[in-house]
Amino acid sequence: DTGVSQDPRHKITKRGQNVTFRCDPISEHNRLYWYRQTLGQGPEFLTYFQNEAQLEKSRLLSDRFSAERPKGSFSTLEIQRTEQGDSAMYLCASSPSGNQPQHFGDGTRLSIL
Amino acid sequence: RKEVEQDPGPFNVPEGATVAFNCTYSNSASQSFFWYRQDCRKEPKLLMSVYSSGNEDGRFTAQLNRASQYISLLIRDSKLSDSATYLCVVGVPQSSASKIIFGSGTRLSIRP
Repeated sequence: DTGVSQDPRHKITKRGQNVTFRCDPISEHNRLYWYRQTLGQGPEFLTYFQNEAQLEKSRLLSDRFSAERPKGSFSTLEIQRTEQGDSAMYLCASSPSGNQPQHFGDGTRLSIL
Repeated sequence: RKEVEQDPGPFNVPEGATVAFNCTYSNSASQSFFWYRQDCRKEPKLLMSVYSSGNEDGRFTAQLNRASQYISLLIRDSKLSDSATYLCVVGVPQSSASKIIFGSGTRLSIRP
């Protein structure tokens, strides 16, 4: 399967813990996006990368959130000192360029106890 | 005003019916348009891109009206398997990149 893959699929953790998610995009895609989605809402943009450069960060991305794409391939999203409000589905998507459709991974569902 | 707005529904229609969704966008400079479908607790999947001249893919037809800043999706002869949430997606150019904005989605339920 050469689609976008995300790991883990589910993460349950206690409030205050740090969590890290990984996304492997489709190999020839330069753009990589992170979104957060809660029930009944569309995906909310968090950040995106063009190769290894992080080009935009949403205001939703507080100081506790950090994302990297060190070699322009896979990306990680870390949340420090998790809070109840961080519970959501975290989706990764990739695309060849900005105007072309994005392809999504299965997402990582985060539950904060 | 939201940048991309959709009627949240739900639309509940019988199998075989024709159903249409509209989506409005606020930025007149928007350049790319898509419809995605999302099943419950699954990731969004591209349904179709929307082109200026309108386009059709089987039972699905997408239209773009730049003057009124809306896009539409028409589903003919609806099937039970069409039950899902349909997300309107708009790409807005920003300096050297594009900003992709998702609507909140329209829920569709097809009943036997």
